[in-house]
Amino acid sequence: QVQLVESGGGAVQPGKSLRLSCVGSGFTFRNYGMYWVRQAPGKGLEWVGIIWHDGSKKYYVDSVKGRFTISRDNSKNTLYLEMSSLRVEDTGVYYCARWGEGYSYDWGHGTLVTVSS
Amino acid sequence: QTVVTQEPSFSVSPGGTVTLTCGLSSGSVSTSYYPSWHQQTPGQAPRTLIYSTTTRSSGVPDRFSGSILGNRAALTITGAQADDESHYYCVLFMGSGILVFGGGTKLTVL
Repeated sequence: QVQLVESGGGAVQPGKSLRLSCVGSGFTFRNYGMYWVRQAPGKGLEWVGIIWHDGSKKYYVDSVKGRFTISRDNSKNTLYLEMSSLRVEDTGVYYCARWGEGYSYDWGHGTLVTVSS
Repeated sequence: QTVVTQEPSFSVSPGGTVTLTCGLSSGSVSTSYYPSWHQQTPGQAPRTLIYSTTTRSSGVPDRFSGSILGNRAALTITGAQADDESHYYCVLFMGSGILVFGGGTKLTVL
């Protein structure tokens, strides 16, 4: 079955950088668009961005444009989220999700990012 | 800026029926937005219940159903159970993979 496993979270100071990874298995990774979604502590879910199956198109929520970059390595079945100039308000759990058939979704378990001085 | 609206909270009695809704700040929700519903309990990852308005994800009981009611998407839970007590998020697909999440509804079963 579809599995998505995120990693790379941790504690970082404001202004620093961090890279998250998401490894997909149980499906043909290169055929699917992939999302990043985040959740601040005690808050709702927020779409962060999308990368198309071949990496040709990427879209981001306004609050991360110019600071976050989504990329993928289809040879490694891996999705990335490169985060720079991190802010306290970027703190939260980051989930990767698959854009499945028929506009379905599959979710990873998430990785926690804490931005604090 | 597109805002997706949901009831902040709702309560239902065990065995009862509840309908949660999802609207747009301007305009109507239609099947063209492929509305989906996601359940999340504290400390857990989201779980997709319904996608493309009415399609249940694999393993989701048929007491969960999705629809369009008037100008809003709707999630109906029939025969609510104690473990349905969760947060429920509506998501609308705005094209090109751009998603907008509603603020979520906290459902209490009591």
